Parts: sequence; C-alpha cells; structure tokens
Amino acid sequence: DAGVIQSPRHEVTEMGQEVTLRCKPISGHNSLFWYRQTMMRGLELLIYFNNNVPIDDSGMPEDRFSAKMPNASFSTLKIQPSEPRDSAVYFCASSLQTVGSLHFGNGTRLTVT
Amino acid sequence: DAKTTQPTSMDCAEGRAANLPCNHSTISGNEYVYWYRQIHSQGPQYIIHGLKNNETNEMASLIITEDRKSSTLILPHATLRDTAVYYCIVRVDNGNKLVFGAGTILRVKS
Repeated sequence: DAGVIQSPRHEVTEMGQEVTLRCKPISGHNSLFWYRQTMMRGLELLIYFNNNVPIDDSGMPEDRFSAKMPNASFSTLKIQPSEPRDSAVYFCASSLQTVGSLHFGNGTRLTVT
Repeated sequence: DAKTTQPTSMDCAEGRAANLPCNHSTISGNEYVYWYRQIHSQGPQYIIHGLKNNETNEMASLIITEDRKSSTLILPHATLRDTAVYYCIVRVDNGNKLVFGAGTILRVKS
C-alpha cells in the first residue's frame, strides 16, 4: 500500500500564476478530501468527493479555487490566479466511505510570492 | 458535528503514560470520538476512534466517560517520536466530513 500520493511536494510560484496540485488516493477508497493548513487557521476542509462526485465544497475560499476528480484514482486542486495569501500546506486524504479513518498524504507546500 | 475542547499543550516524560483529555459535552448519540495526530511536516495520522465503549489498539487506548461528554487518549509508554499535535474530533460515522480544531501539542521529554 503506497498510501495517498501528492505531487509536487513543494511548489513556489509568482502571484497571478496558475497552480495545480495533484493527488492519487489509496486504491479502493471512494472518498477524497482536500485540506489546507496554515498557522493562522489550522487545518481547513476545502472540498470532499464521494465516488468522484463533489459533495461539499463550502470550504473552497473563492472562485479562484477549483477541484476535480475525473476518475477514482486521481484528483486535482487548481488555483487560478494564485495570490500570496494562498501560501499554505495542502493535504489530500482518502477513505472508505463506510470506515471512519482518513488516510492523509504528506502534503504540498505552496509558496506564492 | 459537536465541538471539542482540548488543552493547548502538555508535557510528558519519556516512558511514562501520556493522558490527553478532550471535552465534548454537546456530543450526540450517533457521534463517534476520533483521535488523530500530526507529527511535524507530515499529514495527520489516524490513531483510534470509539462510540461509547473503551477502545484499544496497537497505538493507544481511548477511554470514554459513561455520559460520553469527555474522553481521554492514553499513550501507554510515550516516546520522543510521539511528540506531535493531537486532535480530538467528534462526528457522525459515515458522515465523511472531518473538522479539525486546534488540538493539543504533546511534548515528550527525555
């Protein structure tokens, strides 16, 4: 079991650029979550999917953020255009819907200058 | 989901038991208590969860009071590698949404 795989591990970009974060959930898991973590706000749930369908995106900060899950083994979180306040660590997690525990990836550290 | 209250930080001597408390006085009958921890620079890691009975696994024990308004996570023999932020979360199982609070910073000292 390779666990949840996120890429890239680190991303540095300039304000106004498009950023795409990638996530491969654990095989067989049918729920996928995107979280953001900052010192000020802690861990925030941005959006989650069940069976590739977005269920709750109320945590997405604004229209600059979008997430997709085209199939059961891949998801993206896109920020366009990026701003310095988007700098954070972005975590992806997956789970079996009927089992409680979430498995987290090691995160993508995003720095927007 | 019910709100939880945890101490901001705690210290524990290496080799001793670490007892981390959590208050969840507004918990509903169908809400579970979950514990996760986050070691520096890593993603959160699931530890244990329970509904009303005490639970034990290879990592920890979870003690839930009879009225379910509070719980304690016990790490029986804390090591330096257990230094982390510990999150207590209550949610409806199969409810998917997992909302993290500020957690407790546990520092294990030699």
